Amino acid sequence: EAGVVQSPRYKIIEKKQPVAFWCNPISGHNTLYWYRQNLGQGPELLIRYENEEAVDDSQLPKDRFSAERLKGVDSTLKIQPAELGDSAVYLCASSTTRGREDTDTQYFGPGTRLTVL
Amino acid sequence: GNSVTQMEGPVTLSEEAFLTINCTYTATGYPSLFWYVQYPGEGLQLLLKATKADDKGSNKGFEATYRKETTSFHLEKGSVQVSDSAVYFCALSSWGGSEKLVFGKGMKLTVNP
Repeated sequence: EAGVVQSPRYKIIEKKQPVAFWCNPISGHNTLYWYRQNLGQGPELLIRYENEEAVDDSQLPKDRFSAERLKGVDSTLKIQPAELGDSAVYLCASSTTRGREDTDTQYFGPGTRLTVL
Repeated sequence: GNSVTQMEGPVTLSEEAFLTINCTYTATGYPSLFWYVQYPGEGLQLLLKATKADDKGSNKGFEATYRKETTSFHLEKGSVQVSDSAVYFCALSSWGGSEKLVFGKGMKLTVNP
């Protein structure tokens, strides 16, 4: 079974430029997450989708970040315009939702390493 | 809010040494607890998990026990191998695993032959 796919793996841009990241979750996983991992830190959630609905975007900097998950499958995360402080690894994860009694594992993709110059 | 505090490295051990990575947490209610591992050049992988007090998670020779009285979830392995060299993250989730994961800062482990 294919894992979570992300592209590109690496991206270098100049500040003020736009950038987009793409994620394809594991087939059948209805929950999709975007995390940001700064150097030397643990990942932090940016946004969580249940199917097409963004159910937790409280940590997403909405002035410059946007995300979408059309048809409840693939997702795109966009930054416009990028700032120097956006340099980080952007991780996508997916999971199924089987209810509270089951702990659902989040499966992570390899991430996109963004460098803003 | 929920938070995780874990040992920070980096740590270097010799092969066959005993490993302990401390992890404590702050959370309301009854969180689920996880250890994730990130091998060089790879994505995060779940190593083990525990969903309620006194549960023990285990995988690949690693173990961790959910201790509610001490709010801890320390990771242990009796004999590390070179292939265990990686970054280890402790994490919690407040609703099974479907809610967001709150991670510690991670600890880089290097095992020398």
